[in-house]
Amino acid sequence: SQQGEEDPQALSIQEGENATMNCSYKTSINNLQWYRQNSGRGLVHLILIRSNEREKHSGRLRVTLDTSKKSSSLLITASRAADTASYFCATEATGTYKYIFGTGTRLKVLA
Amino acid sequence: GAVVSQHPSWVICKSGTSVKIECRSLDFQATTMFWYRQFPKQSLMLMATSNEGSKATYEQGVEKDKFLINHASLTLSTLTVTSAHPEDSSFYICSARDLDRGDEKLFFGSGTQLSVL
Repeated sequence: SQQGEEDPQALSIQEGENATMNCSYKTSINNLQWYRQNSGRGLVHLILIRSNEREKHSGRLRVTLDTSKKSSSLLITASRAADTASYFCATEATGTYKYIFGTGTRLKVLA
Repeated sequence: GAVVSQHPSWVICKSGTSVKIECRSLDFQATTMFWYRQFPKQSLMLMATSNEGSKATYEQGVEKDKFLINHASLTLSTLTVTSAHPEDSSFYICSARDLDRGDEKLFFGSGTQLSVL
């Protein structure tokens, strides 16, 4: 399977704490993106990092990319109860226009 | 941002019937749309890439005669689950890219929950 892997599968933290989730993939990529999904809904784009970038910030989100290890991490700082959702990484393999999603991390932020 | 509308949001049908799901890009032209399937608490599995004016490209293991995809216009792709059976029950999601703007991110519909009795 080409599917990427994420860990942890599930994460439960207190409000105000930071949440870190990791993604590993298998092929060379053009870019890697992170998406968020609330239960039973579509996905919302969070942040994109290109293959020649190592780190990117957007508000409370920080993404890193290590192409030598084929891995990425998403850090959510100062988490809020509203951050409770599933988070997926998605990679666009070089030479394709299609995106393959990771296995996802279910984040629960306790108030 | 770009908007993708997906209908219906849920459908219940009897085994053996066919179900059509529509995916529309409301404010941009989508030459390519993607159809995903998602089981509870699992990831999205790419089923097929829908190309406007040509045949869809199916992923390995996806039955093209079972999941018919039509992309007749630049703003509409449809997925028809033919002769649905209980094992086809799942959450189906479409997405599209606004390639005209060079936008690399995917815009998703809100998904369709299919339950086959």
